[in-house]
Amino acid sequence: NAGVTQTPKFQVLKTGQSMTLQCAQDMNHEYMSWYRQDPGMGLRLIHYSVGAGITDQGEVPNGYNVSRSTTEDFPLRLLSAAPSQTSVYFCASSYLSPRQGHYEQYFGPGTRLTVT
Amino acid sequence: SQELEQSPQSLIVQEGKNLTINCTSSKTLYGLYWYKQKYGEGLIFLMMLQKGGEEKSHEKITAKLDEKKQQSSLHITASQPSHAGIYLCGADRGRDDKIIFGKGTRLHILP
Repeated sequence: NAGVTQTPKFQVLKTGQSMTLQCAQDMNHEYMSWYRQDPGMGLRLIHYSVGAGITDQGEVPNGYNVSRSTTEDFPLRLLSAAPSQTSVYFCASSYLSPRQGHYEQYFGPGTRLTVT
Repeated sequence: SQELEQSPQSLIVQEGKNLTINCTSSKTLYGLYWYKQKYGEGLIFLMMLQKGGEEKSHEKITAKLDEKKQQSSLHITASQPSHAGIYLCGADRGRDDKIIFGKGTRLHILP
């Protein structure tokens, strides 16, 4: 299994440009999430999905869109990039482990985004 | 206000010394996750605590959950350079898979 993969690893955008951060998992996990990590702020949840066709907002959803057309993919779209969106973005997938009795969450390697 | 408070924010420790990182929740805890992140990389799951008083170990790292205090502590014994990184606690709020994270504790190990 490749686990959770994210592309690109690095990206530089100009203010106002749009782009999509890709996230894919091959573990057949129901749940997927997007987080952003900023210095001194820890990880903040942007959007999440509990299954194909179902998405919901997290703590900081403004400026981002998501869709979940398949179980495997959960892309994050920036419609009009702003410098405040400069961050490291992590995608995660998780499932409820019957044996452990809690969610096991797996993270991708991250995408470093700079908006100038 | 932050739901999860981690302390200290950063820590510099001599190799071989013991250290403790704390995570306190302002809301009811149904479970507490500990992750480690090496600088510039993704998060690695360390352990998850569910019941009050539960204590788990992963190599030289031990974590305990105090349900009454809504607090967890992570203890590293005889620290090594490989322990350096950012330690994050995450709270399970008891519904779907939303995990809320603390701001993290940056750990540096001096040789």
